[in-house]
Amino acid sequence: TQLLEQSPQFLSIQEGENLTVYCNSSSVFSSLQWYRQEPGEGPVLLVTVVTGGEVKKLKRLTFQFGDARKDSSLHITAAQPGDTGLYLCAGARSNDYKLSFGAGTTVTVRA
Amino acid sequence: NAGVTQTPKFRILKIGQSMTLQCAQDMNHNYMYWYRQDPGMGLKLIYYSVGAGITDKGEVPNGYNVSRSTTEDFPLRLELAAPSQTSVYFCASSYSGISTDTQYFGPGTRLTVL
Repeated sequence: TQLLEQSPQFLSIQEGENLTVYCNSSSVFSSLQWYRQEPGEGPVLLVTVVTGGEVKKLKRLTFQFGDARKDSSLHITAAQPGDTGLYLCAGARSNDYKLSFGAGTTVTVRA
Repeated sequence: NAGVTQTPKFRILKIGQSMTLQCAQDMNHNYMYWYRQDPGMGLKLIYYSVGAGITDKGEVPNGYNVSRSTTEDFPLRLELAAPSQTSVYFCASSYSGISTDTQYFGPGTRLTVL
């Protein structure tokens, strides 16, 4: 059983469309991170959110941490083929700095 | 800086064989981690280290061993390889152990046990 559940598992969209990826848990996290992983490479950190209700923007990517710090979402506006990859959420609980990872969402953006 | 480097990139083992996955970082990070990544399962923490000479078990340590004799190196040892250890292994490092710190990952080692 995954501590962090990501949905959907796979997402394929056309260039220019918008998409949202969800990361949900029944546990409270002190912080949550989003990573992107490309084939044959390790994950790379995109953002860290720490405050309930926090919204962070990274160009066309918008990240939100739920008010209760149990969930998060990643929204991509006007997706481009370069956004293709595996998106992973990872959370740290308040008494444990070790990260728990979700299973990931594979995003494919078709040109 | 090379960041986090891992060798080998690929390896095929027979059941019962042993091997060491190498990991090195040149960022002077205190914390280092070993994860395995299986399809549809995300990354699972195998072992971690908070500094030279100090290691501890993660979520899935059975069948693995680690050592940390220097700040830079954190090798992962597989003894008596089993098909269940077929996976992609990632080494990572971070400057501190706080939850908001960035973990930097290596490119991974793809291991197949036949």
